Amino acid sequence: QTVVTQEPSFSVSPGGTVTLTCGLSSGSVSSTYYPSWYQQTPGQAPRTLIYSTNIRSSGVPDRFSGSILGNKAALTITGAQADDECDYYCVLYMASGIWVFGGGTKLTVL
Amino acid sequence: EVQLVQSGAEVKKPGESLKISCQGSGYNFTNYWINWVRQKPGKGLEWMGIIYAGDSDNTYSPSFQGQVTISVDKSINTAYLQWSSLKASDTAMYYCARRRITVAGGIDYWGQGTLVTVSS
Repeated sequence: QTVVTQEPSFSVSPGGTVTLTCGLSSGSVSSTYYPSWYQQTPGQAPRTLIYSTNIRSSGVPDRFSGSILGNKAALTITGAQADDECDYYCVLYMASGIWVFGGGTKLTVL
Repeated sequence: EVQLVQSGAEVKKPGESLKISCQGSGYNFTNYWINWVRQKPGKGLEWMGIIYAGDSDNTYSPSFQGQVTISVDKSINTAYLQWSSLKASDTAMYYCARRRITVAGGIDYWGQGTLVTVSS
């Protein structure tokens, strides 16, 4: 089964910019995988940030943006804030009609 | 206001059956898909399957096919996730999440989660 890959952890300085990526164990991610990104703080349900590569969900600040960078989907956070410190998950749509989550990235802001 | 309200936490023994629910409100329930997502303690999100509330069309992840059943009762705007014989490894938080009608539409709303604990 295809594995969706994410960096296990990443750190960014307050006010800085960070790009998290979402790849495939085999092949390249394109817009046809409809990559989505979710943010989850401990003890809370996930929150949708981005869907269909680069569409921000309602209420999501424009500090969060999605794109395809090279052969991966990417989530870029600009002007990082302390409350951006949490887990980020991507999910990809496979041709078989199923969705597969990445393992998640724990973002530290320090 | 769109809401997905899930049923309360459950504590079950191995081998018991269980059905948890996700009730949608504030929108036309039959025009959307409902996903189910598992999160084991301290672990990541796992996509389990999806059902279209309008006609019960569904797709399961191969990892969950045959292990759970996803269903919907559109008369009461409710989706279900059920097990016929629980295992300790089913202990997890389970989330439902609404997806727009097209694949490109993405998930927009999430339920609050239902914690299922399976222990002898």
